[in-house]
Amino acid sequence: QQPVQSPQAVILREGEDAVINCSSSKALYSVHWYRQKHGEAPVFLMILLKGGEQKGHEKISASFNEKKQQSSLYLTASQLSYSGTYFCGTVYQNNDMRFGAGTRLTVKP
Amino acid sequence: EPEVTQTPSHQVTQMGQEVILRCVPISNHLYFYWYRQILGQKVEFLVSFYNNEISEKSEIFDDQFSVERPDGSNFTLKIRSTKLEDSAMYFCASRTGNGYTFGSGTRLTVV
Repeated sequence: QQPVQSPQAVILREGEDAVINCSSSKALYSVHWYRQKHGEAPVFLMILLKGGEQKGHEKISASFNEKKQQSSLYLTASQLSYSGTYFCGTVYQNNDMRFGAGTRLTVKP
Repeated sequence: EPEVTQTPSHQVTQMGQEVILRCVPISNHLYFYWYRQILGQKVEFLVSFYNNEISEKSEIFDDQFSVERPDGSNFTLKIRSTKLEDSAMYFCASRTGNGYTFGSGTRLTVV
């Protein structure tokens, strides 16, 4: 049930873009994206529901391809504050969430 | 904004001792969860709880673990006889509808 995230790690220069992918072998009900800074709790970024919607806030957006059971998180014009580990959480019909292994994003000046 | 509150923030215990991690979910939420995260690793599902009973549990959640909602507000995770490998960050979460809210976690260190 656990989703597969890729890549495992990304290193960017400030201002560059990144895409983080999350895929599932089972039919998804929703996908949640979280960012976690070292030693802190995961912070909710956004949720995408069935229907293939795309969401975004400023320079961070995400899409959900229901047919492919995939979601992608897009970070554009990255800032130093974007550094952290990004987790996707996938929710199935029973509504319990499972997390991917995480993508460690490092943004350098 | 409503929060999920976890106490203590850090617990150190000796191997073999029992620990109880406490959580106060958001008051109108109906579904409750425990997750754990070993340092540097992913967040792992432990257990979900609804209507005063366990809905689902992972293979990690063996006989040493138990959960309780003793008084309608607290949601506790008990580890009966802690092992070194139980050292981790434990996150409580609660949900109504689609939105999960996580607590800030309890760091459990077993020595």
